Parts: sequence; C-alpha cells; structure tokens
Amino acid sequence: DTEVTQTPKHLVMGMTNKKSLKCEQHMGHRAMYWYKQKAKKPPELMFVYSYEKLSINESVPSRFSPECPNSSLLNLHLHALQPEDSALYLCASSQDSWLTEKSYGYTFGSGTRLTVV
Amino acid sequence: SQQGEEDPQALSIQEGENATMNCSYKTSINNLQWYRQNSGRGLVHLILIRSNEREKHSGRLRVTLDTSKKSSSLLITASRAADTASYFCATEGYSTLTFGKGTMLLVSP
Repeated sequence: DTEVTQTPKHLVMGMTNKKSLKCEQHMGHRAMYWYKQKAKKPPELMFVYSYEKLSINESVPSRFSPECPNSSLLNLHLHALQPEDSALYLCASSQDSWLTEKSYGYTFGSGTRLTVV
Repeated sequence: SQQGEEDPQALSIQEGENATMNCSYKTSINNLQWYRQNSGRGLVHLILIRSNEREKHSGRLRVTLDTSKKSSSLLITASRAADTASYFCATEGYSTLTFGKGTMLLVSP
C-alpha cells in the first residue's frame, strides 16, 4: 500500500459545527503532516507529527486540533471555523521527519475540500 | 512561510515541446523536491535532488540544482497534454517541507 487516504473528500460545515478530517497510511511512515492550501496558492504547513508526537505547530488557531491516535492515523478536529478557513486540507506522510538526509519525499493524500458556511 | 519562487508563474506550450521551470530559494537545504498537482487535488512527488547532487534524471524529467545560486530547474521533455498541471518546487530543511508558489503548465494538443 503506497497511498495516503483522506476522508471525506468534500465537507461543508457551518461555523458552529464540529467535524473531523481523517488521514490514514500503511507505509510505515513515522512522520505525518497537515497542510492547508487556498486556491491558486501553494500548500502551507500546519502541523507535523513525528513518532505520534506533535513536533511542529505553525501557529495554527486553536479551532484546529490535530490528533495522532497511532502511527497510521492522523485526524484534524475542526470547531467554530470561519469562512476564511475554507480550503483544501492535505495530509502527507514521510519516512522520518528527523532524518532528512534519508528523505525520499512526501506522499500526499488527495485532500479534503472544506467549505465553511 | 514560503521559501521557493517559481518562474514562470504560467507556461503554455504545444505537445512535443519541452517545458522548463525554474525555482529559487533563500536558505540552506537538505534537498529540493518537485511535485505536480492536477486540478487542485493531491500533490504527486516527481523527483528529489539532494544538496550534494547537481543533476538528476527520471524518465522525461531532468532536474538541476545549483546550491551556490540557490536555484533549481525542472525540464520536462516531449511534453504531453497529460502533463498539464501545476508544478511546485519544495525545499526540505529540518523536519519540514516548504513549497514555492508554483508554475501552471498548459500543454495544448
């Protein structure tokens, strides 16, 4: 299995809703990432998990809450979002975030297109 | 924060022609990677070049890296309509991958 699977593919939520995005990989990768991408912009890093521990939080608002239940799963819990949070949310994984000299690149999921109304 | 700057922002060519995209970056890197993105979906890893390498090939792709100029180029030879996509360079430092602004490539039949 060489894929990162993200669910759902599309999500529409109200500003008072609570929802979760899910990401799963079975490649044995020990680093997992959440990126946010606005239209016609490059992806921007949100969070990095390394060996199931949060290692980087790029000053993301607390209405986004990441969770890594095990080495294969990554969740992003959403609560009280704003319309400007509408974007494509991408999950990625890599072998090890600390051994970049051995990096072989990241594997990305297809993303969840989120619309906040 | 964005590190790479791609040039050009958009490129339109005919099938069979070569496409060249350039990327400049600002800080020291461990490696530089190129990704393709179709229609705002997931990114596909194309090729990785390490900081001690100068050139790398993969199929119709050729990547160069000049660390003294902090720049890289991606050459796609004999382009096809299916190559139409956005292409991003990304630099990998300590634990993170930072993307440039991207080049939108349109290959017309």
